[in-house]
Amino acid sequence: DAKTTQPNSMESNEEEPVHLPCNHSTISGTDYIHWYRQLPSQGPEYVIHGLTSNVNNRMASLAIAEDRKSSTLILHRATLRDAAVYYCILTNFLSGSARQLTFGSGTQLTVLP
Amino acid sequence: DVKVTQSSRYLVKRTGEKVFLECVQDMDHENMFWYRQDPGLGLRLIYFSYDVKMKEKGDIPEGYSVSREKKERFSLILESASTNQTSMYLCASSWTGPNSPLHFGNGTRLTVT
Repeated sequence: DAKTTQPNSMESNEEEPVHLPCNHSTISGTDYIHWYRQLPSQGPEYVIHGLTSNVNNRMASLAIAEDRKSSTLILHRATLRDAAVYYCILTNFLSGSARQLTFGSGTQLTVLP
Repeated sequence: DVKVTQSSRYLVKRTGEKVFLECVQDMDHENMFWYRQDPGLGLRLIYFSYDVKMKEKGDIPEGYSVSREKKERFSLILESASTNQTSMYLCASSWTGPNSPLHFGNGTRLTVT
């Protein structure tokens, strides 16, 4: 299975943009890139996903490198409520099984007031 | 919004007890999952179900069983609880397909003494 690598922790100042990196050098052509986040005392929540093109939604933007070996989750203006663990995950769209969804240890984002 | 409800937020049981963790989703999702989350180990898939009465083992099924008699309800059963099953248990649901996001409940923190 393709693996992802993320920094253990990052800090950001409130109301500044945050760029959370993820490396996935062994990604296959049929792997989608998903991001989830987990706020304290809550279950993970879906943030965004993409295949090749950059994606935007109300929560964040996803920038995918041209060779797809890395991606960056962008929070345009961090708030204190964005402090969470962020997980970058690969899912294979040829597989009908959820077994491919593997959560690593993620990046703990701290937002400073 | 999708709602995934876990019956208990906190649970304390004794070694050897039979434990039932219940999960209900309100979006008619085909897939339902049980994960456990432990510090340093991330989320690990215990079992999942892709239809009523259907189940498939995840990465760590030993010591657990599941039941899915109705589409909206997925139960995790610890036949004889042990202290190494003390953990946070997370239920999730999704539509079929690896690009369908998982929707998680807020977890049940189980302590086995």
